[in-house]
Amino acid sequence: QTVVTQEPSLTVSPGGTVTLTCASNTGAVTSSYYPIWLQQKPGQAPRALIYSTSNKHSWTPARFSGSLLGGKAALTLSGVQPEDEAEYYCLLYYGGAYVFGTGTKVTVL
Amino acid sequence: QVQLVQSGAEVKKPGASVKVSCKTSGYTFTSHGITWVRQAPGQGLEWMGWINTHSYNGNTNYAQNFQGRVTMTTDTSTSTAFMELRSLTSDDTAVYYCARDINWNPDYWGQGTLVTVSS
Repeated sequence: QTVVTQEPSLTVSPGGTVTLTCASNTGAVTSSYYPIWLQQKPGQAPRALIYSTSNKHSWTPARFSGSLLGGKAALTLSGVQPEDEAEYYCLLYYGGAYVFGTGTKVTVL
Repeated sequence: QVQLVQSGAEVKKPGASVKVSCKTSGYTFTSHGITWVRQAPGQGLEWMGWINTHSYNGNTNYAQNFQGRVTMTTDTSTSTAFMELRSLTSDDTAVYYCARDINWNPDYWGQGTLVTVSS
């Protein structure tokens, strides 16, 4: 069974920088997995932030960036704002099927 | 503007089926697929499957967990996608989401539909 693992929780100060990662139990995550990052706030639908590793949507704030880091997909938030407090999910493509990551709760404190 | 508007909340008994709709607007329906995702209360997101919206194609990919129990369809005349889940149990209580998806890019999402399974 394919498992995609993220940090359960991370805390960051306003204005700080935090990096979330997304690992696959099948091996290194590459661009062929088309990593996607989504943000979800309580009671809301997910909002797409990043697709195909590092591409931003028109609505994605510039402080969000996606990359590959040490065999994992990564989402970096630079200059964190209070409104960035949310759950973040990665999504990987495994040749016909997607698998969601376990999610990371980001607290801005 | 692109919009995906889902049908309203449903309450079903165990063993029943539910069919959730996702009406799209603001783009060419057949140019993007539709991905379906669900989220049980207090849990993470779970991918259910994807359907190609081309009228001549309509092929689907279903997550293994739902094979044999889910059917995804589309009505191109109304730009609407549907997800039917059968043999419901309490474990199927969740919010179900649709999302527009092309080239591994689920960008616009519906507001979600709460399905409650209870006797």
